Formats: sequence, structure tokens, C-alpha cells
Amino acid sequence: EAGVAQSPRYKIIEKRQSVAFWCNPISGHATLYWYQQILGQGPKLLIQFQNNGVVDDSQLPKDRFSAERLKGVDSTLKIQPAKLEDSAVYLCASSSAGTGAFLGGQYFGPGTRLTVT
Amino acid sequence: SQQGEEDPQALSIQEGENATMNCSYKTSINNLQWYRQNSGRGLVHLILIRSNEREKHSGRLRVTLDTSKKSSSLLITASRAADTASYFCATDSGGSNYKLTFGKGTLLTVNP
Repeated sequence: EAGVAQSPRYKIIEKRQSVAFWCNPISGHATLYWYQQILGQGPKLLIQFQNNGVVDDSQLPKDRFSAERLKGVDSTLKIQPAKLEDSAVYLCASSSAGTGAFLGGQYFGPGTRLTVT
Repeated sequence: SQQGEEDPQALSIQEGENATMNCSYKTSINNLQWYRQNSGRGLVHLILIRSNEREKHSGRLRVTLDTSKKSSSLLITASRAADTASYFCATDSGGSNYKLTFGKGTLLTVNP
């Protein structure tokens, strides 16, 4: 089966600019996650969708970050305006959580490495 | 905030040796999962152990869970250079969200 797709793979922007990341989850996966991974740390959950509804966005900096999942499939994560501390890898993951096929694991995409200068 | 904390932060061994990594967590869990991350294949799910299980095997991987001590260990036997990666534990504290909280990871280097 095809994995989780993300684009772009790399992005360099200046602070105060805006940026958007795109994710296409594994077909049939109801749950989609966006994580931020700062160098040397583990992934931190930013937002979790089940179908097209948000189930957890408690760690999303809502003054500058936004995310949507239209039609319960693809998702975009946007940062506007970006700060230096937003430099990180942004990972998208999906799982079958919420369906009878769920076994517990999440499937991750390759990530987008963002550098803010 | 990060729930799990791996120990050691870095581990360097020779090919063929066993590698053991530990994870401690703070709150009760539904299950605990281990993931591997390297530059070639990204973050990959390795194994899941439920709170009512004490030990689980998958190939060269052995995971133990001690809920009384809130700790888990991952043993990789007969390590290979290809096992070089960062290893993360992630805890699912239950509820309907299936939300994972990751630790900071252990960087394993297997020298040929």
C-alpha cells in the first residue's frame, strides 16, 4: 500500500513569511496527525483529526498555526507568520484509529524540514 | 510536554552485540509503543505492548513493560549496522483520542 505522502520535503523561508505543508494519508485511514519535531527531541503532537473533525489541538499555537482537513482526506498545515523557533521537521501521520481495523500504530510520512532564517 | 524519557540518550555498540534501551513514563497508560527513526526510512512503528502485557517479541526485538515501575525496555539482539537509528518510546494514555506522547529518544550507533 502507498505510504503517507508529504510535500514539500524542504522549505527555507524568512521570519514573518508564511508557509504551508501538505499531507495525503494512507487510503482509508480516518485519523490524521501533524507533529513538530525539533532537532534532538521526539515528535510533539500539534493537531489530530478524525475524518474532517479536530479531536485534539491543545498544543497548536493557534495565533500563528492553522490546519484543515477538507473532505476527511488530505490536510494542510499553515504557519503565518513564521518565527525562528518554528524551524523543525513537520511530520504527518495517519492511522486507522476510529475504525475496526485499528491495531495501535501510526504511519508517518517523510516529513518537511522547515528552516526559518 | 513529553511523557516518556529514554535512557541512555546515546548508545554505541559493535555489530553482533545486543542493545538495550529503557523508557520511563509518568502517568498510567493504555499501551506503549516503540518507533525507529533514521534518515532513510523516516519514523517507523516497531512494536506495541499493551498495559496488561509484560513481554512481547517481534523478530530480533524484545519489549518488556513494568507498569508498577512505569518503565519499559527495548532489546535488540544481534545488532546490525542497519539498526543505527534513533529509537523513541511513545505512550498512549487511553481515551478515545488514541493520542501518542513521545520521549526524546535514544540514538543507537552500531559500528561494523
